[in-house]
Amino acid sequence: AQSVTQLDSQVPVFEEAPVELRCNYSSSVSVYLFWYVQYPNQGLQLLLKYLSGSTLVKGINGFEAEFNKSQTSFHLRKPSVHISDTAEYFCAVSVSYGQNFVFGPGTRLSVLP
Amino acid sequence: DAGVIQSPRHEVTEMGQEVTLRCKPISGHNSLFWYRQTMMRGLELLIYFNNNVPIDDSGMPEDRFSAKMPNASFSTLKIQPSEPRDSAVYFCASSLGTSGGEETQYFGPGTRLLVL
Repeated sequence: AQSVTQLDSQVPVFEEAPVELRCNYSSSVSVYLFWYVQYPNQGLQLLLKYLSGSTLVKGINGFEAEFNKSQTSFHLRKPSVHISDTAEYFCAVSVSYGQNFVFGPGTRLSVLP
Repeated sequence: DAGVIQSPRHEVTEMGQEVTLRCKPISGHNSLFWYRQTMMRGLELLIYFNNNVPIDDSGMPEDRFSAKMPNASFSTLKIQPSEPRDSAVYFCASSLGTSGGEETQYFGPGTRLLVL
């Protein structure tokens, strides 16, 4: 079975500063990796996903993530955050033979003025 | 497209009552997922359907919960009888479902359920 760890439950950062949200996973088979964002009182929205190929994945709103197989990580980064990036961010993993997602516990990003 | 539609958006009920949550997936999507989100347990997959057939219901907490998908454009999640510990936000999501785990899931806005 797969599992996802997001070590930081909350990350406060000042506006225009860079941010990294950490995600580690465990799996005995090859995985697909996703980052979703949840704005207050809304559903989840896909930011980006890694399926194969280049390990650096670019997503919406200026976010990117890098897949590191040896470290089983898929950290999310943004070079300069905005107030509007304040939200909860979820890392998720899936495998090729099913459609089950396993979501991490989430990281609450708070961007301060 | 209107996206995934869920109703009601908010539901307040008393313990012991039946609750029915509804979901309309994105047109053309073949897979539908029901999730529950709580502070304590995070986001949990309850059940998912492919081509209207339940594929994995191992996340359904107990017999009080049931889900149906009578056709490609409608699904229900029913709780009978409801208990205070069922209070949560319930999300429905859909995907094209033409292949495996690489499919993006599109989430509805959720139903916020409070059982008193």
